[in-house]
Amino acid sequence: GDSVTQMEGPVTLSEEAFLTINCTYTATGYPSLFWYVQYPGEGLQLLLKATKADDKGSNKGFEATYRKETTSFHLEKGSVQVSDSAVYFCALFFYNQGGKLIFGQGTELSVKP
Amino acid sequence: DAGVIQSPRHEVTEMGQEVTLRCKPISGHDYLFWYRQTMMRGLELLIYFNNNVPIDDSGMPEDRFSAKMPNASFSTLKIQPSEPRDSAVYFCASSFDGGRNQPQHFGDGTRLSIL
Repeated sequence: GDSVTQMEGPVTLSEEAFLTINCTYTATGYPSLFWYVQYPGEGLQLLLKATKADDKGSNKGFEATYRKETTSFHLEKGSVQVSDSAVYFCALFFYNQGGKLIFGQGTELSVKP
Repeated sequence: DAGVIQSPRHEVTEMGQEVTLRCKPISGHDYLFWYRQTMMRGLELLIYFNNNVPIDDSGMPEDRFSAKMPNASFSTLKIQPSEPRDSAVYFCASSFDGGRNQPQHFGDGTRLSIL
């Protein structure tokens, strides 16, 4: 079945470091792909999305490109800030009887000053 | 606009008691989702509704769990009887199209502790 695999955390970086969080997926057809972020004590919120191959989603300095050939949607940011500390979830939209998101297991990011 | 509203924010109760979690989705959203989040199992989809009708309840762990959506503005998740392993953060989310083009909007969750 459809699934999402993320790199395991926690990821610890210094402020202004480059961030990559890997995400690969298995799906039939061409799903839409998403990154959601969860700040401490809150629910998840959409960070960015891409709906077709080669699309690049971007928001708040984060980017991810939908790579069909490698079934990947890696999250990147050129210079992280302490305020980026959160848990990041990769997800794909699975259309079956109305549709639902399938989430990866989440990757915790901790940015130190 | 008000977001997804969950209540209570925190619940501590003893094993064997009935627990009811409540959710008010964003007005106009057709889909409502219940998730459970734990350190061990991550984020799990329990059940989701479309136009108040349960579509997929395959994630509901066992018969002790039940969910209802009597109208478009209210849903409950009930656990009876509760057990310590049910301790988790429970999230409700709503969306226009399930999350395909429009995001799922999450509430702040209910932190449930079963003693």
